[in-house]
Amino acid sequence: AQSVTQPDIHITVSEGASLELRCNYSYGATPYLFWYVQSPGQGLQLLLKYFSGDTLVQGIKGFEAEFKRSQSSFNLRKPSVHWSDAAEYFCAVGASGTYKYIFGTGTRLKVLA
Amino acid sequence: DAEITQSPRHKITETGRQVTLACHQTWNHNNMFWYRQDLGHGLRLIHYSYGVQDTNKGEVSDGYSVSRSNTEDLPLTLESAASSQTSVYFCASSDDRGFTDTQYFGPGTRLTVL
Repeated sequence: AQSVTQPDIHITVSEGASLELRCNYSYGATPYLFWYVQSPGQGLQLLLKYFSGDTLVQGIKGFEAEFKRSQSSFNLRKPSVHWSDAAEYFCAVGASGTYKYIFGTGTRLKVLA
Repeated sequence: DAEITQSPRHKITETGRQVTLACHQTWNHNNMFWYRQDLGHGLRLIHYSYGVQDTNKGEVSDGYSVSRSNTEDLPLTLESAASSQTSVYFCASSDDRGFTDTQYFGPGTRLTVL
């Protein structure tokens, strides 16, 4: 069965520090992978997505993610975090042909000034 | 600009009442989805639709129903609201043309069942 694991429920970083949010997935074929961000009281906004090709994908707001098939991972990174990045981040896997997603449980990011 | 809207944004209701949450998109997307978001569970799929007159159950569909009479709208109905249905509900849509699969989300409806 497909599943997504985000092992870190909460992460706290200082402003200007680097960030890595972990995402591991279980899926039999090549997955479609997504990272979404949810600011407090808001809906979900797409940060980036991976379908095929280059395993390092660039997204909005300076985020990037790397698909590693051997580790079944799709970790999200940012070299220097800004206070406005404080939000909840969701990783999702999409099953090809179904258009459905399975979401991870999310990681809440806190940024210290 | 195309968008997806939800109404109401906040709703308080009583146990046993029927409640309908509206979702309207102007993307002209064939695929539409309803999720609920609960602490510790992320987003879980309630129902989804691939087009007019098509509806399908997701992983947490008990107590909910949807109908799709046009492309733009997928209302979610709670037949008899229960306290366990207190949650934040998100609607999303995606295009079935091509392989992008990207879902676009509405702003959410916070439902409280007393």
